[in-house]
Order: sequence, then structure tokens, then C-alpha cells
Amino acid sequence: DTGVSQNPRHKITKRGQNVTFRCDPISEHNRLYWYRQTLGQGPEFLTYFQNEAQLEKSRLLSDRFSAERPKGSFSTLEIQRTEQGDSAMYLCASSKTQGILNTEAFFGQGTRLTVV
Amino acid sequence: AQSVTQPDIHITVSEGASLELRCNYSYGATPYLFWYVQSPGQGLQLLLKYFSGDTLVQGIKGFEAEFKRSQSSFNLRKPSVHWSDAAEYFCAVGRNQAGTALIFGKGTTLSVSS
Repeated sequence: DTGVSQNPRHKITKRGQNVTFRCDPISEHNRLYWYRQTLGQGPEFLTYFQNEAQLEKSRLLSDRFSAERPKGSFSTLEIQRTEQGDSAMYLCASSKTQGILNTEAFFGQGTRLTVV
Repeated sequence: AQSVTQPDIHITVSEGASLELRCNYSYGATPYLFWYVQSPGQGLQLLLKYFSGDTLVQGIKGFEAEFKRSQSSFNLRKPSVHWSDAAEYFCAVGRNQAGTALIFGKGTTLSVSS
């Protein structure tokens, strides 16, 4: 078990470009979460999946943001037409549910996005 | 609205001294409370969590936290701080045990002086 893996670790992009991040959760974890963390702030929830179903989206997730988890394993987060305000650390986490039991959410190291 | 407040942005303690990090929450239902630690270049690591039962919970690395419903607080404590404890600490509240859609505070940065 290698933990939650996020790629790339760093991304610099020009304003207006599209970017895509990938998250590989801990194997057999059926829940996957995306958070965004800006400087001096705590992480803010964006969205989460149970298996391949996207069950909740924050109002922070504007129309330029889209997340997928097509086979219930890895997930991608795409930001279209990036803006400088999108510069942040994007964190992924995963957890496992079995009936009413839930594990804690394990976080990856994040992808730091800088929009110039 | 649901929220978490960590009143102290930055705290410095001497190595070996005791530590208390404050956390206040606002949540309409029964809160599921968490403390996470984030070291530079590392992901968030769960220190401890409170769901129900004993209001004093023990976590990893010698940390403990006490849930006080009357004060809407969940303060983190450690009796003797080590230099390796220097990091950023986040308090969070969630809707369930897995911490779905966690609401985090802004964090407290802990520095440890020798």
C-alpha cells in the first residue's frame, strides 16, 4: 500500500490554458475526495466520489472545473481556462467504506498549481 | 453556517513544554471532529478524531484532544513538545466518520524553539 498518489506534484501554466491533475487512491478505497488549499487557509472541499459516482460537489467547483472517476479507481480533476485565482494546492484523499463503517480519509501530498 | 475557528495563527513553544492548540466549531448536528497535521511537503495526516463517547480522545504521537460541547471546542494538547512536532495543525468538522466534505479551520503553525 503506497498511499494516495498525486501527479504532477507541481504545475505551472499560463492563464487561459487547461490543466489536468491525476489522483490514484489507496487500492480498494471506494471513496475519493478533492480539496483545494490556498496559502494561509485550510483545505476547502471540492467534490467526492463513491466508486465512479460523483455524489457531491461544492459550490466552489465552478463550471470550469470537472472531475471524473471513470472506473472507480483513479480520478482526474480538470480546470479549463485557468485563472490566476486558481493557483492553489489541490489535495486528493481516499477512504474505504464497508456498510456503516468508514476508515479515516488519507490525503495525498497534493498538486501545486501556479497560474502565471 | 458550519465553520471551524482556530484563533491562533502561529504559536511558538519551547521543546519539552506543554502545548494547547485551540479549536472552536459551529455545527448544527452532532459533530465529527478531527485534528490533522501537515508538515512541509507532506500530505495531511490524521492525529485523532472524536465521534462520540469519552470526551477525551487519544491520538498518535502523544497528542490528545478534549471535546467540550458546552464551549463548542475541541482543543488539542500535548504534555511535552518535541522539535519534530513543528508543523501546521488543522482542526476539522465532518458529517460522518469518514470525514466526508470536511470543513477545515485556517490552521495553526507550530514552531518549536530549543
